[in-house]
Amino acid sequence: DAGVTQSPTHLIKTRGQQVTLRCSPKSGHDTVSWYQQALGQGPQFIFQYYEEEERQRGNFPDRFSGHQFPNYSSELNVNALLLGDSALYLCASRLAGHTDTQYFGPGTRLTVL
Amino acid sequence: EDQVTQSPEALRLQEGESSSLNCSYTVSGLRGLFWYRQDPGKGPEFLFTLYSAGEEKEKERLKATLTKKESFLHITAPKPEDSATYLCAVQASQETSGSRLTFGEGTQLTVNP
Repeated sequence: DAGVTQSPTHLIKTRGQQVTLRCSPKSGHDTVSWYQQALGQGPQFIFQYYEEEERQRGNFPDRFSGHQFPNYSSELNVNALLLGDSALYLCASRLAGHTDTQYFGPGTRLTVL
Repeated sequence: EDQVTQSPEALRLQEGESSSLNCSYTVSGLRGLFWYRQDPGKGPEFLFTLYSAGEEKEKERLKATLTKKESFLHITAPKPEDSATYLCAVQASQETSGSRLTFGEGTQLTVNP
């Protein structure tokens, strides 16, 4: 049973650049959420995708956008990177209507210089 | 606004020394409370979901309990491999909240041999 996978593992970018992170949900799951985790803090909800639409959004600026594909995989895009965007970006998946439990991927460590 | 507070921030135990971690929460209608374990640089690993006051769940040396305002994660006779950060998260039952998770800052547990 394949778990949640994310790519790349690590990424280094410069301020002002744009980045795309990718996530494949756990087998059979159709809902994907993205979280940002700064060092020493708990994860913060960015947004959630279901049926290829953004369903909920946390308190993040429009520089953060996403997409979900027909195969349920998802992308997180961040434009105009700031130093404060350096964090571990986590993807979580669940099966809507069947379980509340979200299963997390290993994360992508983004460093903005 | 949903809030989760975990205590203590850090806990150092000797192998075999039992203890408890606390998670206090404020949420407008609790749909579920979740415990995760996170190793450094990795994604959170699901441990338990609790839905109603009085509910208890157990897994090996861990037992999670839930009241109307807090949850406890009891660790019995811990081993060094139990060293990790333990995260608590809540999901509200409000329609607009969807399935977003609100996390605490975590408790960093170190178990010395």
